[in-house]
Amino acid sequence: GAGVSQTPSNKVTEKGKYVELRCDPISGHTALYWYRQSLGQGPEFLIYFQGTGAADDSGLPNDRFFAVRPEGSVSTLKIQRTERGDSAVYLCASSDTSGGAETQYFGPGTRLTVL
Amino acid sequence: AQSVTQLGSHVSVSEGALVLLRCNYSSSVPPYLFWYVQYPNQGLQLLLKYTSAATLVKGINGFEAEFKKSETSFHLTKPSAHMSDAAEYFCAVSDQGGSEKLVFGKGTKLTVNP
Repeated sequence: GAGVSQTPSNKVTEKGKYVELRCDPISGHTALYWYRQSLGQGPEFLIYFQGTGAADDSGLPNDRFFAVRPEGSVSTLKIQRTERGDSAVYLCASSDTSGGAETQYFGPGTRLTVL
Repeated sequence: AQSVTQLGSHVSVSEGALVLLRCNYSSSVPPYLFWYVQYPNQGLQLLLKYTSAATLVKGINGFEAEFKKSETSFHLTKPSAHMSDAAEYFCAVSDQGGSEKLVFGKGTKLTVNP
């Protein structure tokens, strides 16, 4: 079956602009996660959705970052007033249910470059 | 809070040699542990996971890992390296009781020499 998909695969923007990154999870998966991977680092957690609600947004770095999942499926990560330090690969993952033992399935990521 | 330490950001082995990638974790509760592999320009793929059943866990592509509570370790091994194993490997611990988010190590890049 189809895995997690993310669009766009690459996004180049200018400092100060607004961007939206989209994630399509595996069909039927209720849990959805966003991570950010900077060069040479492991992925870092941003936000977790269980259904439509953000159950944990403790990883969002500041109020320029926001994410939604209005119908409990597709999610959009929104970044306002982008800064060069926001450049990274943004990864989305989904799992069948929440629970520490559940496997998270990752998408290929969106590479964001802020000039 | 959970944390993961991967010793060695780069590991180089010869084809056919043993692969050993080290992972130590810190967790206040019994952990769930994961190894993921990332090929260039691809997403993360699960190799194996420990969920408090057998301490020796077998995964895909001939990899296995052993959970050692006394050493707080979850090292990844493969008896004989193949060229196709060249990739970056990430160890992760699950944040139980909360959002179950994964906390990752910084990764180990494996090079396999012919």
